[in-house]
Amino acid sequence: AIQLTQTPSSLSASVGDRVSITCRASQGISTALAWFQQKPGKGPKLLIYGASRLESGVPSRFSGSGSGTDFTLTISSLQPEDFATYYCQHCNSYPLTFGQGTKLEIK
Amino acid sequence: EVQVVESGGGLVQPGGSLRLSCVVSGFIFSDHYMDWVRQAPGKGLEWVGRIRVKANSYTTEYAASVKGRFTISRDDSKNSLYLQMNSLRTEDTAVYYCVRDQSDSSGYYYFDYWGQGTLVTVSS
Repeated sequence: AIQLTQTPSSLSASVGDRVSITCRASQGISTALAWFQQKPGKGPKLLIYGASRLESGVPSRFSGSGSGTDFTLTISSLQPEDFATYYCQHCNSYPLTFGQGTKLEIK
Repeated sequence: EVQVVESGGGLVQPGGSLRLSCVVSGFIFSDHYMDWVRQAPGKGLEWVGRIRVKANSYTTEYAASVKGRFTISRDDSKNSLYLQMNSLRTEDTAVYYCVRDQSDSSGYYYFDYWGQGTLVTVSS
């Protein structure tokens, strides 16, 4: 199974900051990667698919990049509603797997 | 508006069975692959399995941790997805999410709509 390792596991930042979360795959997955945001008690929300394609309705301050084994989710200017947990997930092959998550907290 | 609503969760003893249901609206259910994803309390997300559409003979895929114990099925006439869980273990305790798939131009399938989840607790 392809393993996804997210760094950091947690992150403290302030409103207006630019933050990045990385996701490394244990083998190449082309651009078959998605990013999700999850808030407490809610189902995850798709932000980015195809490594860099912004899902409809998602603010443009979110962006994704990368291919092969190394991927990055960047939030250009943090807003109060962005404090949540973020997961990467690959869809290159079965089993589908997720990263362990990155909890983004208010500094 | 797309809606995905799970039901059927609850408390079950180890070794027992439970059937989860998911009813959807706001899109053509029969056109979409569907998945189940779970999340143990305070933990990350784990993919459970997928069912394809009629054109793909409703074939399924499962995570190794549930293969042989869980079965995914669908009833397109009822806009419904099901997860039959047998031989339940304490480690199956989790919130179970019903998820819609959407393909992109590269042929990959992404989880684009999630329900709110239903909690399954396996305990004696």
